[in-house]
Amino acid sequence: DAGITQSPRYKITETGRQVTLMCHQTWSHSYMFWYRQDLGHGLRLIYYSAAADITDKGEVPDGYVVSRSKTENFPLTLESATRSQTSVYFCASSEADRVKNIQYFGAGTRLSVL
Amino acid sequence: AQKITQTQPGMFVQEKEAVTLDCTYDTSDPSYGLFWYKQPSSGEMIFLIYQGSYDQQNATEGRYSLNFQKARKSANLVISASQLGDSAMYFCAMREGTSGSRLTFGEGTQLTVNP
Repeated sequence: DAGITQSPRYKITETGRQVTLMCHQTWSHSYMFWYRQDLGHGLRLIYYSAAADITDKGEVPDGYVVSRSKTENFPLTLESATRSQTSVYFCASSEADRVKNIQYFGAGTRLSVL
Repeated sequence: AQKITQTQPGMFVQEKEAVTLDCTYDTSDPSYGLFWYKQPSSGEMIFLIYQGSYDQQNATEGRYSLNFQKARKSANLVISASQLGDSAMYFCAMREGTSGSRLTFGEGTQLTVNP
């Protein structure tokens, strides 16, 4: 049972470069999410998706692009990386459950933008 | 205004004792859910416990229980019989409404369990 996997686990890039973080889940969950975690801010929602081909902005979407052509994949792209995007990125997924909607998280990707 | 407030940046507890981690929330939606997650030093986010706004009883999951006081808008996590492995960052989160699954997180409480 693979669950939800993120790749790469660590990434170093330079300002201005495009970088894509991958997220794959094996549960067939409808919802998928991208968060960033910075000291003093907890986790903040970047984008989320309710189903394939349906995405929506979260709290901090600027500078990021997402797509969801398949239910199991939800890649996050930084179009032109900036130092302020240095962070730990978490992908999560949940069922379309109207009661709990428990989100399960991947292990995270630590991104450094130099 | 902060939707989730965790006022304890750090907490210390002796092994085998109980500890309460505070969480207050702010919402005008009558339907909401409250969650606690644990983040050990390895970095992963682990779901611990859930409380729905309409649940009549406080949620429990093994050594974890949630002290839900709706009128006070608080959802404190109680860990009984603390273990060294409980040392971690703990996050409180809220989902508002029943559509979608967006969570708003607090800034977390770092718990240290001393032997």
